[in-house]
Amino acid sequence: DTEVTQTPKHLVMGMTNKKSLKCEQHMGHRAMYWYKQKAKKPPELMFVYSYEKLSINESVPSRFSPECPNSSLLNLHLHALQPEDSALYLCASSQVAGVVGNEQFFGPGTRLTVL
Amino acid sequence: QQQVKQSPQSLIVQKGGISIINCAYENTAFDYFPWYQQFPGKGPALLIAIRPDVSEKKEGRFTISFNKSAKQFSLHIMDSQPGDSATYFCAASRSNAGGTSYGKLTFGQGTILTVHP
Repeated sequence: DTEVTQTPKHLVMGMTNKKSLKCEQHMGHRAMYWYKQKAKKPPELMFVYSYEKLSINESVPSRFSPECPNSSLLNLHLHALQPEDSALYLCASSQVAGVVGNEQFFGPGTRLTVL
Repeated sequence: QQQVKQSPQSLIVQKGGISIINCAYENTAFDYFPWYQQFPGKGPALLIAIRPDVSEKKEGRFTISFNKSAKQFSLHIMDSQPGDSATYFCAASRSNAGGTSYGKLTFGQGTILTVHP
């Protein structure tokens, strides 16, 4: 199984809502990533978890809160988002983080719209 | 110094033609150069990747050419097909050997490839 799954596929939320994005992989990977992708732009790294510990936070606003409950799951908790946060949120995983040649497998993404 | 510059922004080729996308980087610490293919509504998928100790890598119709001294690498798609129409991203990363990058991918800006039948 070389699949990264993400739920939900689409999410519409108001600026006062609290919601969560979920990512799951069963490849035994110990590194998981959150990326944000705006239309016609490349993915931008948000967070990296290595062995369930937050290793990189790319100066992401605190309204985005990541969580890695176990080695297979990655959540992104959303609160008080702004319309400019509307984007495709991509999850990825790799065997380990920082080893040369480790492929990152991407999920299909969650299309988020903030009203 | 972390940038990866990609060109062209868009590319139109006829079926059976050769598609060429170019990337350039500045950071000599990069040691892994993947190309990703992304279809609309999907996540990026690894197409082919190369390390700087190799000058060329071929997988089927896809070839990466790598010029370490010029800090450039390119993707060639031979016999381009309409099904190849997608956005292509080059990327670069460095291993933790030189620091704690945790495999962070630095992406180029992307090339929208359209292959006409």
